Amino acid sequence: EDKVVQSPLSLVVHEGDTVTLNCSYEVTNFRSLLWYKQEKKAPTFLFMLTSSGIEKKSGRLSSILDKKELFSILNITATQTGDSAVYLCAVWNNNAGNMLTFGGGTRLMVKP
Amino acid sequence: DGGITQSPKYLFRKEGQNVTLSCEQNLNHDAMYWYRQDPGQGLRLIYYSQIVNDFQKGDIAEGYSVSREKKESFPLTVTSAQKNPTAFYLCASSIVRGRASAARSTDTQYFGPGTRLTVL
Repeated sequence: EDKVVQSPLSLVVHEGDTVTLNCSYEVTNFRSLLWYKQEKKAPTFLFMLTSSGIEKKSGRLSSILDKKELFSILNITATQTGDSAVYLCAVWNNNAGNMLTFGGGTRLMVKP
Repeated sequence: DGGITQSPKYLFRKEGQNVTLSCEQNLNHDAMYWYRQDPGQGLRLIYYSQIVNDFQKGDIAEGYSVSREKKESFPLTVTSAQKNPTAFYLCASSIVRGRASAARSTDTQYFGPGTRLTVL
C-alpha cells in the first residue's frame, strides 16, 4: 500500500524564520511528487518534482527530491504571516490507477 | 473563467438522508476525483473517474456513490450508509497521462473550492 508521511504535524514560528517541511514516501513505481498549499479551502499547487537533486524554486519557497532516500523537503525562507497554511505532499505512482496519495499535511503558523 | 466549481459551499443534512454534491469543470480534463478531508488530516480518495461512464473506488468508497455521464460533471452522493459523513469534500480534475504534451500538465490536479457537509 502506498504511503506518504509528513513531518512535523504542526509548526509555529515567527516572521522571518526559515522552516523546513518533510515528506517521506513509500510508493510502488514512483512517478512524481507534488507540494500543495492549503489555506481555508482548495489546495493550490506549488511544485512538482520528478528528478532527484534538482531544486525547484519560487520566490521564498524551494523544494528538492531525493529518490534514493525517498523523501522531499519544502523550504520557506523569511516566513511571513501569509505563509500560514497546511502544506500537503502527494505522490503519483505510475501504475494504471492514476491515483495521487496524499500525506497528512503539516500545519504551519507564522506569528507576527 | 476556466476552473472547477463545487456547490453548495455549505450543506447540512439530517441523519438518514442522502445528499448530492456537485462538481463541474470546464478545463476539458478527462480525469476527475473526489476527496474527503477531516480536521487536521490529509486528503483521502473516495472515487475517481478517468473517462466518461467509468469510475473506480478509492480508499474510502463505502457509503458514497458517483456518476460520470458527462465529461465536465462528476457528482458525489453521500448516502445514509455513510456512518460519519461530516467532513470537507474536495473535487479535483487532471489531464490523463498520455494525452498531454507536458509532464506538468498530466500530473497536476486542480481543486475546486470544496463543500463542507455537516450532519445534524
